[in-house]
Amino acid sequence: QKEVEQNSGPLSVPEGAIASLNCTYSDRGSQSFFWYRQYSGKSPELIMSIYSNGDKEDGRFTAQLNKASQYVSLLIRDSQPSDSATYLCAVKRSSYKLIFGSGTRLLVRP
Amino acid sequence: EAGVAQSPRYKIIEKRQSVAFWCNPISGHATLYWYQQILGQGPKLLIQFQNNGVVDDSQLPKDRFSAERLKGVDSTLKIQPAKLEDSAVYLCASSLVAGLNTGELFFGEGSRLTVL
Repeated sequence: QKEVEQNSGPLSVPEGAIASLNCTYSDRGSQSFFWYRQYSGKSPELIMSIYSNGDKEDGRFTAQLNKASQYVSLLIRDSQPSDSATYLCAVKRSSYKLIFGSGTRLLVRP
Repeated sequence: EAGVAQSPRYKIIEKRQSVAFWCNPISGHATLYWYQQILGQGPKLLIQFQNNGVVDDSQLPKDRFSAERLKGVDSTLKIQPAKLEDSAVYLCASSLVAGLNTGELFFGEGSRLTVL
């Protein structure tokens, strides 16, 4: 079992729709959760962090965390073609080590 | 503020040859990471430094990979001898601290290695 699992996609949504990206993790001791965006040929950049159960909103992005289900998600409202990228879920374990999932590729169709 | 600098950006070598990558983190960042990203996969942590000490190198193939961070600033990652499966992008990242609630890593542009 991978430590951080994501559906590789691609997830294709029309412009203006809500894109929903999901991530599960195996280590119950994980305490910090992050979403990074990676454009093709570029390096990852942090877009959201979440540390407690519930929702956290930042502009068009909402991160959701459910520690009991070991589940993290990212919602992107009013998706734009510029949101087309790979979204990496990252989980920080008690050892301070940041583990990345393999990413979900998002395609937003104009 | 200058970002994380890496060089070279691209390197092509034959298998069994050696290669070295250099990274200069953001000024003042105590923690430095080397990640390996194979095409289609997420970044995999190879080694994490806190100042000039190693925090984690559990996934570093120590028979062929080595890394150092002299004086707690810039770092070098070396591969010797290279194998075909080492073809990947080597990402250097830095962060101000390495606490539980700090997951913001600033990545360099990466060094793309092709082993023929």
